[in-house]
Amino acid sequence: DVKVTQSSRYLVKRTGEKVFLECVQDMDHENMFWYRQDPGLGLRLIYFSYDVKMKEKGDIPEGYSVSREKKERFSLILESASTNQTSMYLCASSSPSLAGAWYFGPGTRLTVL
Amino acid sequence: RKEVEQDPGPFNVPEGATVAFNCTYSNSASQSFFWYRQDCRKEPKLLMSVYSSGNEDGRFTAQLNRASQYISLLIRDSKLSDSATYLCVVTPWGNEKLTFGTGTRLTIIP
Repeated sequence: DVKVTQSSRYLVKRTGEKVFLECVQDMDHENMFWYRQDPGLGLRLIYFSYDVKMKEKGDIPEGYSVSREKKERFSLILESASTNQTSMYLCASSSPSLAGAWYFGPGTRLTVL
Repeated sequence: RKEVEQDPGPFNVPEGATVAFNCTYSNSASQSFFWYRQDCRKEPKLLMSVYSSGNEDGRFTAQLNRASQYISLLIRDSKLSDSATYLCVVTPWGNEKLTFGTGTRLTIIP
């Protein structure tokens, strides 16, 4: 069964802390994505990656960075967390051979105090 | 103007009824279209792709109108388990980044 896992379901951090969100997929997918989801705004793309060690900015990359050292793992980094980064973070993966079939992880609800 | 727009609802529909919602997109170069379903506090999951010729999957029918730049989802004989948020998704190149609508919330009432 296809699986995307995220390191934490709930996370509480303080303003200014460095935060790492980890995502792992076991489907050998080339593409991986990080979204955040906020009420009334829907899902917004933060960063994506089509291959190991490559990354592309999405629509709202400010305040975030990513790392993809291995094909199965895509990390989202908040260098200095701020309260406006309180959100639900969703990781997804896909393969070019499976058009439309993006698989999402269960999400990490991050609260920054 | 948002790239993808949906009526947020909520749509409160009695069990067994037919319900339809639309989604409009602004980028005429959009190539691929999908409906995703998201249950409360869960991740989105692919419901169905939307093809130019329209497609049907059981009680669900999806259609695309390129001229007017909208897609639609029709649910017949609605079940309580259809209660969810339905997300309209478009992408310009078929398998690059997805652009999501904000979703339409549907509640099926017994």
